[in-house]
Amino acid sequence: AQSVTQLGSHVSVSEGALVLLRCNYSSSVPPYLFWYVQYPNQGLQLLLKYTTGATLVKGINGFEAEFKKSETSFHLTKPSAHMSDAAEYFCAVSDQTGGFKTIFGAGTRLFVKA
Amino acid sequence: GAVVSQHPSRVICKSGTSVKIECRSLDFQATTMFWYRQFPKQSLMLMATSNEGSKATYEQGVEKDKFLINHASLTLSTLTVTSAHPEDSSFYICSASTGTLQETQYFGPGTRLLVL
Repeated sequence: AQSVTQLGSHVSVSEGALVLLRCNYSSSVPPYLFWYVQYPNQGLQLLLKYTTGATLVKGINGFEAEFKKSETSFHLTKPSAHMSDAAEYFCAVSDQTGGFKTIFGAGTRLFVKA
Repeated sequence: GAVVSQHPSRVICKSGTSVKIECRSLDFQATTMFWYRQFPKQSLMLMATSNEGSKATYEQGVEKDKFLINHASLTLSTLTVTSAHPEDSSFYICSASTGTLQETQYFGPGTRLLVL
């Protein structure tokens, strides 16, 4: 069975500082990995995804994530936080054998201080 | 591209009534649609998966007679909450995927349901 663990329900950074949101996954088959962002009372927006190929994935808004199979991790980073990055971030995993059913992590709320 | 809409965005209803939520893929054909439920400050919980023209597959613990899902066309899926009760109040989000990029889901903006 697949699972996703996001370390830290809340992360607070200063504007301009590095953003690091941690995600570890469990999957018995090669996974597809995703990061989504959710603003209050809105649906989810895909930030980036890893399917195959290059393990460093670049997404929108300056975010990127690296798939590390040995560590079963898919941490999300951004070199310099902006106030507009404050939101809820979800890491998710799916795979072809599961009919692409997606399992979400519990989410990490990012706060950005001025 | 890949826009998913939901209607209504917000609905308030009386206990015991039924509420229908529509999910539409606006610019692509959605072979599979997913329905999620999200409680305040929590993650998304998958309720069911629906494929066009076939019966929905419900997750364990989700009452299929309570949450009726219809996926009549490649661009429309509906979720009907029957005989709604206050505990059904939640944020319902749908997503859709295409046949070519099945691993990627495109999410709707969500529907806030409040049952009084």
